[in-house]
Amino acid sequence: DAKTTQPPSMDCAEGRAANLPCNHSTISGNEYVYWYRQIHSQGPQYIIHGLKNNETNEMASLIITEDRKSSTLILPHATLRDTAVYYCIVRVGHSGGSNYKLTFGKGTLLTVNP
Amino acid sequence: GAGVSQSPSNKVTEKGKDVELRCDPISGHTALYWYRQRLGQGLEFLIYFQGNSAPDKSGLPSDRFSAERTGESVSTLTIQRTQQEDSAVYLCASSLGGHHSYEQYFGPGTRLTVT
Repeated sequence: DAKTTQPPSMDCAEGRAANLPCNHSTISGNEYVYWYRQIHSQGPQYIIHGLKNNETNEMASLIITEDRKSSTLILPHATLRDTAVYYCIVRVGHSGGSNYKLTFGKGTLLTVNP
Repeated sequence: GAGVSQSPSNKVTEKGKDVELRCDPISGHTALYWYRQRLGQGLEFLIYFQGNSAPDKSGLPSDRFSAERTGESVSTLTIQRTQQEDSAVYLCASSLGGHHSYEQYFGPGTRLTVT
């Protein structure tokens, strides 16, 4: 799996957009970018994933650069409840082998301030 | 719609007792996963069920741990003769199968404390 690099922490003002970067310069052509988060004392939460096109859902937007070496998760209007550790993961999208074992790196602690 | 549910939310047990943890996955999700998370640590994969295929039990830490799943519904994780090092949050997740297997939806977890 491609390695990812994320800043250890970020701050964001409530109501503003939170832009969380992730570098994955060794990503392969068949690897997807997934984002999860874990709010303190809760289970992990799947947010979004993409291959090369930008993606948007009810939670967030994912912007992937044209060369796919980096991506940005955007929370358009951050709230206090978005304070969490955000994990960027790169994995192949097919179900071969033991691809389903979810593992997290260190992630980015996003703190949304009032 | 209903998400993944787990019960109990908290369990305190004495060392040496058996415990049973339950997971109700999202309806229609063929894949079910159990993970363990110790305080301040990452996810530790325990076991994976996919439809009628043989489960992947490669993450179970010892033979005191076992899990079952009834069809594509409820799963139970059983820990026999609990030890203090078993104290952790036990998380269940479910997903659609195949290439959706990395979009996992987690329950709130069961916090197990072995005294």
